[in-house]
Parts: sequence; C-alpha cells; structure tokens
Amino acid sequence: DTEVTQTPKHLVMGMTNKKSLKCEQHMGHRAMYWYKQKAKKPPELMFVYSYEKLSINESVPSRFSPECPNSSLLNLHLHALQPEDSALYLCASSQTSGAGGEQFFGPGTRLTVL
Amino acid sequence: DQQVKQNSPSLSVQEGRISILNCDYTNSMFDYFLWYKKYPAEGPTFLISISSIKDKNEDGRFTVFLNKSAKHLSLHIVPSQPGDSAVYFCAASWQGTYKYIFGTGTRLKVLA
Repeated sequence: DTEVTQTPKHLVMGMTNKKSLKCEQHMGHRAMYWYKQKAKKPPELMFVYSYEKLSINESVPSRFSPECPNSSLLNLHLHALQPEDSALYLCASSQTSGAGGEQFFGPGTRLTVL
Repeated sequence: DQQVKQNSPSLSVQEGRISILNCDYTNSMFDYFLWYKKYPAEGPTFLISISSIKDKNEDGRFTVFLNKSAKHLSLHIVPSQPGDSAVYFCAASWQGTYKYIFGTGTRLKVLA
C-alpha cells in the first residue's frame, strides 16, 4: 500500500467553526507532514512530525493545531480561520528525513473559509 | 527569499520531442533534489531524485542532471507524451532534516 489518504476532499467552513482534516498512511513511514498550497504557488511546509513528535512548526498561527495520535494518523485541527486560509492542504509522509527520503503525498483537502 | 526557483512558469513541447525543465537553487547546503509532477486536484507525485554525489540519474524516459557549481538542475523527458502534461515542481532538501523546499513550478503542455 503506497497510498496517503486524506479526508475530507473538500471542506467549506465559517470563521467561527471548528473542523479537522485527517490523513492516514500505512507504509510504515515515521515522518508525516502538513503543507499548504495556494493557487499557482509551491507547497509550503507547515508542520512535520517525526516518530509521532512535532519536529518542525514553520511559525504557523495557533488557529492551526496539528495532532499525531499514532504513527499512521495525522490530524490538523482548524479553529477561527480567516478567508485567506482558504487553500489546498496536503499531507505527506516519508520513511526517513531528507537526503534520501522521498515524500508521498495525499490528494489534498480543498478548504474554503467563508 | 525563494531558495528554489523555476524561472519558466510554462513550457509547450510537441509530442515525441524532448522536454527540458530547469530549476535553480541558492542554498549550498542542499544535497538532495527531487522532481514531482502534479495534476489538478491531486497531490504531487514523486518522479525522480538525485543526491549531490551524482550528476545524473535516469529512470525510463526521465533523466535529472545536477550541476553543483552552477546550483542548477534539470529534468529531461524523452520522448514527451501528452500524458506528461502537468505542473512539475523541483524540491530540495539536506542531510538530517525533514524540510523540503519546493520551487514555484513549471506547467508543461505536450501537444499531440
């Protein structure tokens, strides 16, 4: 199984809502990532979990809250988002760190904040 | 500051010809480079990678060339096929990090 799955595929939420994005992989990868991608821009790294511990937080606002319940699952909890947070949110996983670790990406969640 | 740049936002190539996509980087710490292909409404798909100890890596129709002195890499696709039409991102990383820095992408269109 070389697949990273993400749910939901699309999400529309108001600025006062609380929602969660989910990501799952069963490749035994120990690193998992959240990226944000705006239209016609490259993916921007948000968070990295390594062995279920938060390894990198790229100064992401606290209205985004990541969680890694186990080695296969990664969540992104959303609260009080702004319309400018509308984007494609990509999850990825890799077996090791950079310099040898290719990332496998999920299809993304298209988020719209009204 | 964009550490990984793809200066051509788009490229059109005839089917059967060679597609050459270019990528420049500024950070000399980078020692691992990857190319991804992305279709609309899908996540990026890994294509090919190269470490800094090599200057060339081939996989079928795809070859990546690395010129460390020029801080430049390129992806060659031969022969190009209409199914190759997508956005291509280069990405860079370095030893012991989980950070991958992506370029701005090049939209390739292969004309039948």
